[in-house]
Amino acid sequence: KQEVTQIPAALSVPEGENLVLNCSFTDSAIYNLQWFRQDPGKGLTSLLLIQSSQREQTSGRLNASLDKSSGRSTLYIAASQPGDSATYLCAVRPRPRQLTFGSGTQLTVLP
Amino acid sequence: EAGVAQSPRYKIIEKRQSVAFWCNPISGHATLYWYQQILGQGPKLLIQFQNNGVVDDSQLPKDRFSAERLKGVDSTLKIQPAKLEDSAVYLCASSVGQLNTEAFFGQGTRLTVV
Repeated sequence: KQEVTQIPAALSVPEGENLVLNCSFTDSAIYNLQWFRQDPGKGLTSLLLIQSSQREQTSGRLNASLDKSSGRSTLYIAASQPGDSATYLCAVRPRPRQLTFGSGTQLTVLP
Repeated sequence: EAGVAQSPRYKIIEKRQSVAFWCNPISGHATLYWYQQILGQGPKLLIQFQNNGVVDDSQLPKDRFSAERLKGVDSTLKIQPAKLEDSAVYLCASSVGQLNTEAFFGQGTRLTVV
């Protein structure tokens, strides 16, 4: 059974810092990995999708990497801003159906 | 492009009552998912449809939960009777297909059972 772990559960940083969020998964046989952002009381916003054959994806200040063999992904946020404060979730697609989610990292960027 | 639409946004009911949620996926998306997200946890899949057929309902509590997608577009999720532990956010998502495609989520319905 695929399990997804995100560490740390919560993170607080001052504005302007570069930061890394971690995601690990137990079964490397995945089709893709997706990073989401969730604001309080809101749904999930897709940030980046990495296919199993890819090593990384970039969108603006966000860069996500994937190391399938070690079961790890990182989300790098450059020059963090207070507007980046949210919960960040990673999810893997272990077979051609459901996404399996981690519990998320709650990020607070202090002005 | 319109996103995934869900209604209602909030619902409060008493235990043992019934409730229904509605979802309209992105146009052209064949795959539709319902997830349950309990506070502080990641979303957990309840059911997945491919067009109007169920492809995965292994984690759906079938004694009280039901879902349908009759015409392969809109979907409804029903709980009858509700329990206190059903208090959660119910998220609907859709994607073009089942494999290497991006999933898009709606705003969710926050259910409180009292």
